[in-house]
Amino acid sequence: GQNIDQPTEMTATEGAIVQINCTYQTSGFNGLFWYQQHAGEAPTFLSYNVLDGLEEKGRFSSFLSRSKGYSYLLLKELQMKDSASYLCAVTDSNYQLIWGAGTKLIIKP
Amino acid sequence: NAGVTQTPKFRVLKTGQSMTLLCAQDMNHEYMYWYRQDPGMGLRLIHYSVGEGTTAKGEVPDGYNVSRLKKQNFLLGLESAAPSQTSVYFCASCSDSGANVLTFGAGSRLTVL
Repeated sequence: GQNIDQPTEMTATEGAIVQINCTYQTSGFNGLFWYQQHAGEAPTFLSYNVLDGLEEKGRFSSFLSRSKGYSYLLLKELQMKDSASYLCAVTDSNYQLIWGAGTKLIIKP
Repeated sequence: NAGVTQTPKFRVLKTGQSMTLLCAQDMNHEYMYWYRQDPGMGLRLIHYSVGEGTTAKGEVPDGYNVSRLKKQNFLLGLESAAPSQTSVYFCASCSDSGANVLTFGAGSRLTVL
């Protein structure tokens, strides 16, 4: 079966750095996405990785290792507004998106 | 620029009632999707469409029907609502399936009593 694992919840301090991990087992791989979802709102696109390595976009970076079936989202200089759920999703060989359950990130002052 | 608009935002139904959720997008996207989101679970695909006049089943299609008569609209119907269909429903669209950067609607919270 296809599976995406990410921690259920993480807590971090304002101004700090946090890394949210995602491991996946899917039938084929055509890209990995990270979305942010604030409580009661729609998911919004953060990043896309299809090749191994690090993609940096401002305070957010996303890393991919296809051989290890592993990705992480790195958030720097955490702000209170970063409190949200972060969803990892993988596109399989049929170009269908498989979603993780999301990681709820709590930022404390 | 509205993006993806879902109506209604909230609805309470009794078991056995029927209803339709409407999704409209103004981005000329070919692909449209209906997902449900339940606590502790990832987004699950109900049905999707790869273009006007086409529909296909997703991961959890039972109890739902869809129609895509116009490119900009994707309707999700519940013929006989059940408590197990209590969920938050999200519509999403994208221009092609390769990159799959989805634009989501704000969600529709449905409660079935």
